[in-house]
Amino acid sequence: DAGITQSPRYKITETGRQVTLMCHQTWSHSYMFWYRQDLGHGLRLIYYSAAADITDKGEVPDGYVVSRSKTENFPLTLESATRSQTSVYFCASRATGGGYTFGSGTRLTVV
Amino acid sequence: AQKVTQAQTEISVVEKEDVTLDCVYETRDTTYYLFWYKQPPSGELVFLIRRNSFDEQNEISGRYSWNFQKSTSSFNFTITASQVVDSAVYFCALKNTGTASKLTFGTGTRLQVTL
Repeated sequence: DAGITQSPRYKITETGRQVTLMCHQTWSHSYMFWYRQDLGHGLRLIYYSAAADITDKGEVPDGYVVSRSKTENFPLTLESATRSQTSVYFCASRATGGGYTFGSGTRLTVV
Repeated sequence: AQKVTQAQTEISVVEKEDVTLDCVYETRDTTYYLFWYKQPPSGELVFLIRRNSFDEQNEISGRYSWNFQKSTSSFNFTITASQVVDSAVYFCALKNTGTASKLTFGTGTRLQVTL
């Protein structure tokens, strides 16, 4: 199916574990983004990418790592999960000059 | 730096009432875009509108209308004759014209429409 897919939808992990959230888009959009949503903060940008192999930090990058070896994939890794990283994570993509499309979100709980 | 402020954290109305959600933004760019998204209880983000900084005309789409005023840096959203299905969190967002054109979101307004 065409679109932007996030996996998993729900994840529970333990403090200190490494966890990777996946994001896949089928349009070959140049830009991809990772946001986290927390009550009282709205959505905050973690990392973004303008093309394959080009990534940059957003507003709240600490504790996260991204990569973009292929245009269609933009995984987000929490190297050592902390309770403060419990959140809902949204991936988004955008074509040059186009609008934004968001994935359905991943609800991550760190216990 | 850019910023979006949604001062109303939560609004409760009775069905059929009109309701306005406020959005105030800050940016140094002369060219920018403003957005509204709806997040229903199911959690997905639903695009409602995009408006560029050169188009100050108000827009109406069914029961939804948007009032863009550059003089007050506001982009307010009004729902006329609200319905229970309008219950959601609504986000206002701003896009600059930088290379990556990142979206900056407000903190959201939760709208509760009751019978």
